[in-house]
Amino acid sequence: TQLLEQSPQFLSIQEGENLTVYCNSSSVFSSLQWYRQEPGEGPVLLVTVVTGGEVKKLKRLTFQFGDARKDSSLHITAAQPGDTGLYLCAGIRGTYKYIFGTGTRLKVLA
Amino acid sequence: ETGVTQTPRHLVMGMTNKKSLKCEQHLGHNAMYWYKQSAKKPLELMFVYNFKEQTENNSVPSRFSPECPNSSHLFLHLHTLQPEDSALYLCASSRKTGPDNSPLHFGNGTRLTVT
Repeated sequence: TQLLEQSPQFLSIQEGENLTVYCNSSSVFSSLQWYRQEPGEGPVLLVTVVTGGEVKKLKRLTFQFGDARKDSSLHITAAQPGDTGLYLCAGIRGTYKYIFGTGTRLKVLA
Repeated sequence: ETGVTQTPRHLVMGMTNKKSLKCEQHLGHNAMYWYKQSAKKPLELMFVYNFKEQTENNSVPSRFSPECPNSSHLFLHLHTLQPEDSALYLCASSRKTGPDNSPLHFGNGTRLTVT
C-alpha cells in the first residue's frame, strides 16, 4: 500500500517547547508536501520538499526529506499557540496522486 | 473573491434524499479534486478532473456522482447515502502541467451528516 504513517497521532505541549512530527512510508515519492489544517478550514500548504536529504526552514519550522525519499520530518522550535492544528504530510506520485498521511493533531497550550 | 469556495458549509440529509455539493475556484487552475475526510482516516482522494475531463476515480461508490462543467466549477451529486458517508468533503484545485509538485488549494469543506 502507499500508506503514509504519521507519528505521533496526538501531541499536547506547553508554549515554548520543541517537537518533531514524523511521516513514514515504505514507498518512494517524487516529492512530499506538508499542510496544516485549522478547525473549520481546509488544509493549507506549508512546504514542498523534492530532493532526498533536503532541509527547508520556514521561520520556526524545519522540514526534512529522507535520503531515500520515503520519509520526512517536521520540527517546530519554541512552539506557539498559533501552531495548533492538524499537520498532514502528502506524498506525490504521478500527476494527480496526492497521498495524505494519517495526520498529527497538535495542541500548544499557553 | 479569491481561492476555493465550497457550498453549503453544512448539510444534513436523510438516506433517501438527493443533494449536491458545489465547489468554485477563482485561481485559474485546471485540475479540481474531491477528497473525503473522516475521523480516524487519512484524507481519501475521490475524483480528479483536469480541464473538465475525469482523470481519477478512486473506486468511489456510484451513490457519489461528480460533475465538472468547466475548469472553475465542480459538483458532487449525492443520492441514497449511508450514515457512514458522513464526513467532511473537501474540494481542491491545482495548476497541473504534468507530474509536478504543484500545491493543492483547498476549500473549507462541506460537513455532511447522513441521518
